[in-house]
Amino acid sequence: EAQVTQNPRYLITVTGKKLTVTCSQNMNHEYMSWYRQDPGLGLRQIYYSMNVEVTDKGDVPEGYKVSRKEKRNFPLILESPSPNQTSLYFCASSPWGPGETQYFGPGTRLLVL
Amino acid sequence: DAKTTQPPSMDCAEGRAANLPCNHSTISGNEYVYWYRQIHSQGPQYIIHGLKNNETNEMASLIITEDRKSSTLILPHATLRDTAVYYCIVRVKEFNTNAGKSTFGDGTTLTVKP
Repeated sequence: EAQVTQNPRYLITVTGKKLTVTCSQNMNHEYMSWYRQDPGLGLRQIYYSMNVEVTDKGDVPEGYKVSRKEKRNFPLILESPSPNQTSLYFCASSPWGPGETQYFGPGTRLLVL
Repeated sequence: DAKTTQPPSMDCAEGRAANLPCNHSTISGNEYVYWYRQIHSQGPQYIIHGLKNNETNEMASLIITEDRKSSTLILPHATLRDTAVYYCIVRVKEFNTNAGKSTFGDGTTLTVKP
């Protein structure tokens, strides 16, 4: 089944403790992207990747890192999480860019205490 | 990307057609109109897209005005499971190494009532 998977789905952590949220797609898509969603603020793009080893900032990249060492995986790294990063996170992929249909993962709900 | 404007919320009676409007008056000739929806806090789901002709699939119909400055998503027989946030976005549908940015507005919260 074609899908985007994220792990973990739920995470509670404390300020400053490094964490990684994984994202994987099995559709051989070139493009992958991370979004965060907060009440009243819609979906905001954090980082995106047009291809392996090619990443770039979205609208809200501060406090996040990403890597794209292989096509299927696009992990989101929070080196020193803070409470303002408490949010619902979505990973998405598409064949080549946001101008093509994007497929979203199920979301990761993160709480930073 | 051209900016889109949608009403923040709408209600619809179960079994009736839901018509969700979207304004995109600054749309360019090569930009497509896409619709996604997000049920509760699940990942957004693609519904339909179009350039200038009306489009229909198993989920919905998309009507784009002749001047392409607005469009309407139609759910012909809304059910309670169609209650969701519906996003209208505009995108250039061609590869561009500099076009990775992607924004979604606030969308329209559709509530289907029994």
